[in-house]
Amino acid sequence: QKEVEQNSGPLSVPEGAIASLNCTYSDRGSQSFFWYRQYSGKSPELIMFIYSNGDKEDGRFTAQLNKASQYVSLLIRDSQPSDSATYLCAVNALTGANNLFFGTGTRLTVIP
Amino acid sequence: NAGVTQTPKFQVLKTGQSMTLQCAQDMNHNSMYWYRQDPGMGLRLIYYSASEGTTDKGEVPNGYNVSRLNKREFSLRLESAAPSQTSVYFCASSLGTASGEQYFGPGTRLTVT
Repeated sequence: QKEVEQNSGPLSVPEGAIASLNCTYSDRGSQSFFWYRQYSGKSPELIMFIYSNGDKEDGRFTAQLNKASQYVSLLIRDSQPSDSATYLCAVNALTGANNLFFGTGTRLTVIP
Repeated sequence: NAGVTQTPKFQVLKTGQSMTLQCAQDMNHNSMYWYRQDPGMGLRLIYYSASEGTTDKGEVPNGYNVSRLNKREFSLRLESAAPSQTSVYFCASSLGTASGEQYFGPGTRLTVT
């Protein structure tokens, strides 16, 4: 079982809709959860992090964490074509320098 | 602030050649990381340095060596390149073990023929 699992997509949503990206993780002891956005040919860019159960909102982005279900999600409201990218979920490992395990990413396409 | 910088951006090597990928950060971060990214495999950790003077193996260290030259710089060396090392390499840094937020450099696209 992989440490972090994501649906690879592609996920297509119309412009203005809500995009919902999901991630599950295997280690119950994980404490820190991150969402990165990666445009094609570019490096991952940190867009959200969440440490506590519940929701965390930042502009059009909302991260949701449910530790009991080992589930993290990212909602993007009022999706824009510029949101089209691959979204990587990352979870902290319990070893090393707070190392991260990354999922393989979900490719999102926002259709104008 | 430039953040995390990497050189070179692109490189083509022949099998058996060696090279060093350079990484530097100007955010006064303590921890630095080297990843490779392959299609369908996601980001995989090669080596990391929790703090200046320490380095440790990650998930896929075979065929690589690293040097934490000082707090700012962390280099990755391929002693004898193999086609299986064709990949995109990213360097990242974070404030330290108390902070998991990692910030990435622009990457190096390496092809080994």
